[in-house]
Amino acid sequence: DAKTTQPPSMDCAEGRAANLPCNHSTISGNEYVYWYRQIHSQGPQYIIHGLKNNETNEMASLIITEDRKSSTLILPHATLRDTAVYYCIVRAPGTYKYIFGTGTRLKVLA
Amino acid sequence: DAGVTQSPTHLIKTRGQQVTLRCSPKSGHDTVSWYQQALGQGPQFIFQYYEEEERQRGNFPDRFSGHQFPNYSSELNVNALLLGDSALYLCASSLGLLAEGHEQFFGPGTRLTVL
Repeated sequence: DAKTTQPPSMDCAEGRAANLPCNHSTISGNEYVYWYRQIHSQGPQYIIHGLKNNETNEMASLIITEDRKSSTLILPHATLRDTAVYYCIVRAPGTYKYIFGTGTRLKVLA
Repeated sequence: DAGVTQSPTHLIKTRGQQVTLRCSPKSGHDTVSWYQQALGQGPQFIFQYYEEEERQRGNFPDRFSGHQFPNYSSELNVNALLLGDSALYLCASSLGLLAEGHEQFFGPGTRLTVL
């Protein structure tokens, strides 16, 4: 199965950029990388996804390396409400299912 | 525009009982996926329904079954409940079978406790 690797936890000062890395070395050429976050056992919230190019939306930016083996989610100005578990996800090859990893627990500090 | 809704919010059952969880997808979505999330872990894929058929299944026993209705809503059924089935059950909807990079939107989940 496709697999992602993320650091288990990170801290970020409020107002600073939070950069969350993810390794997905087994990703295939046509698979997207998705990022979600989950706040205290609520349903995961979609943030952003990308294939090859960098992407930006109102929530975050996604930087994907040229070899597509890793990516970084950037929250440009973290707030206390961004404290959550962030999941980097790829779709399992040849299937329609997401494989969630263990995620990164981001704590934004006042 | 209503997002994904799930019912009930919480449920308590005893071992050996059966349970049915319900999900209504986001407006305009036609595909529903179900996930199980044990405490402290990431969601685990159970199965996905599209055009009223199960299209993909994760590593879950046959005690877990589902259904999708013509209006795209879905049910998850779990028979012969075990203590280990206690978890947050998440429903996610999307447009199409995720083959085109379409994102999934998750509901708030149903918290199932098996005693």
